[in-house]
Parts: sequence; C-alpha cells; structure tokens
Amino acid sequence: DIQMTQSPSTLSASVGDRVTITCRASQSISSWLAWYQQKPGKAPKLLIYKASSLEGGVPSRFSGSGSGTEFTLTISSLQPDDFGTYYCQQYNSYWTFGQGTKVEIK
Amino acid sequence: QVQLQESGPGLVKPSETLSLTCTVSGGSISTYFWSWIRQPAGKGLEWIGRIYNNGETSYNPSLKSRVTMSLDTSKNQLSLKLISVTAADTAIYYCARLLGGYYNYMDVWGKGTTVTVSS
Repeated sequence: DIQMTQSPSTLSASVGDRVTITCRASQSISSWLAWYQQKPGKAPKLLIYKASSLEGGVPSRFSGSGSGTEFTLTISSLQPDDFGTYYCQQYNSYWTFGQGTKVEIK
Repeated sequence: QVQLQESGPGLVKPSETLSLTCTVSGGSISTYFWSWIRQPAGKGLEWIGRIYNNGETSYNPSLKSRVTMSLDTSKNQLSLKLISVTAADTAIYYCARLLGGYYNYMDVWGKGTTVTVSS
C-alpha cells in the first residue's frame, strides 16, 4: 500500500499570505497526484491533477509541483474563500488520500 | 455537465447490508469509470472501490471481502453493497467519476449520503 503523509495538519494564515502544503508518498508515484479542497458539509473539489495541472475553473493562485515522492500545493495569495481542508491523493496504485491539512484564515 | 447523486437508507443495523445507489445525470455511465469513497465524521477520506464501464471492479483490500459494486446502464446508476456492517462503517459515502486514461483521478463527486450503522 502507498501511504500519503501531509504536513502541516493545521495551518493558520492571513489573507494575502503565500501558503504551502506538503505531501509525501511512501514510494514513487511519478506525477500521479491530485489535490482536493473540502469545505465543511461539502464534497471534495478537485483542484490539481497530475501533480501540476490546474482543473478548469480553479483560480490560478493555486498551483502544484513535485514528482516521485514529494509534492507541494501552493496558494500564492490566500483568499477568504480558501478556508477548508486540503487533501492530496495518489492514483498511481489504487487510490490513497493524505490525512488532510486544515487551512484557517487568521 | 455530469452530476452525481447518492441515495440509500440513512440507517442500517449492525450485521446487515448497506446498499447505496449513485444516479448519474448529464452523461452516460457507459462512457466513464466510477468510484466510491467514504468519510467518517470529522475524519479523512477512504477509497472503497472502482468499477470500469465494462463492469470490471477493484476494491480496497481492507474492504474487499465485504464490498460489491455494479452498474445498471438502463438506469444510468452505479451501486454499492457492503455486507456485515459495523459501527466502523458509519460515514458519508460519496460516488465519483474517474478521469484520466490509464491513471485516473476523481474529477466529479456527488454530494454524499450519510449512513449510520446502529441498532
């Protein structure tokens, strides 16, 4: 099984801050990684696929990078609507999610 | 635009079978691959299984002995059955579309349906 580990677990930042979330895979997954945003009471929403491809309609302040075992999601300028929990997901072998990073707005 | 809607009993007794349906609108289930995911309250996401449009399935090894997924092309629905449920199966259950070719990510999700296992 491929394990996914995210850090930090919780993040508090101000509007306008640059925010970075890290996701590590227990073995190489090439670029088969997606990022999702989930708000309370809602289903996850796809932000990034194939490590760095932006899903249509997602603001360009979101970006993804990495390959192999280490990946990052960056929000270039945090906006009030960006609160929620962010999950990484590998889809190289079956599907596994990270434990989530809760983003709070200061 | 494809939309997904999960449905089924909100309460299931321990040791019984959980049965859910995902109705697909705005597209044919025969065109894509599909998956089920669940999320216990306040916790993370767990992949349950996936089904190709030809009916071929693959399940999470931790649930494999209890899970069955199927397609009903006449109704444009996919279904999930989980037998011998316990309180640990209490969760929000989501269906999702898989996109991407050989390596598939989940691009469209249903809103989810809450299932509680309790006597």
